Amino acid sequence: GDQVEQSPSALSLHEGTGSALRCNFTTTMRAVQWFRKNSRGSLINLFYLASGTKENGRLKSAFDSKERYSTLHIRDAQLEDSGTYFCAAEAGGYKVVFGSGTRLLVSP
Amino acid sequence: DAGVTQTPRHEVAEKGQTIILKCEPVSGHNDLFWYRQTKIQGLELLSYFRSKSLMEDGGAFKDRFKAEMLNSSFSTLKIQPTEPKDSAVYLCASSLGGRWDTQYFGPGTRLLVL
Repeated sequence: GDQVEQSPSALSLHEGTGSALRCNFTTTMRAVQWFRKNSRGSLINLFYLASGTKENGRLKSAFDSKERYSTLHIRDAQLEDSGTYFCAAEAGGYKVVFGSGTRLLVSP
Repeated sequence: DAGVTQTPRHEVAEKGQTIILKCEPVSGHNDLFWYRQTKIQGLELLSYFRSKSLMEDGGAFKDRFKAEMLNSSFSTLKIQPTEPKDSAVYLCASSLGGRWDTQYFGPGTRLLVL
């Protein structure tokens, strides 16, 4: 069935460094959305992409439906970036499939 | 099996009116979500219920948006008073296994506020 494999499951960064999160899809997805879950449990929308790339500040996301993946790049990580990041992909047929999440910890 | 149903499919309201959107989740699902969908933002979570208890209430939407789950098979989203910026598609979704399980969406209600 439609599945999303998100990696890594956990990531530790020092302030000022960067890395990338990735979601691989087992089927062609129509769009992808990236969220961050903050310490209070609220979901924050980061990006919504049907194709291509989007950038916002220190975050950049890309989505390639043909190659079945999406990435979220974080540069110059700050302490407040800590949290759990999820991707969610629109699988069609009114179905949205979530990745398992990446727990990011940014330390001084 | 019936999927998620939403009514009405279309709604037109004047600024300041009260509108109520309705949702019936997939039978047996414990989790119900209300989202607003726009082309720019994608999905924005309005409310999340687990076993009829409100678990998340989207901070930016609290003042005029209120979702209720009267029983395990019926939920409403009230917008009061409506504003033109509320024009969007409102989606209801349900899942079986929790917040991050696969969510099944209804067809949505397209709201136009004049």
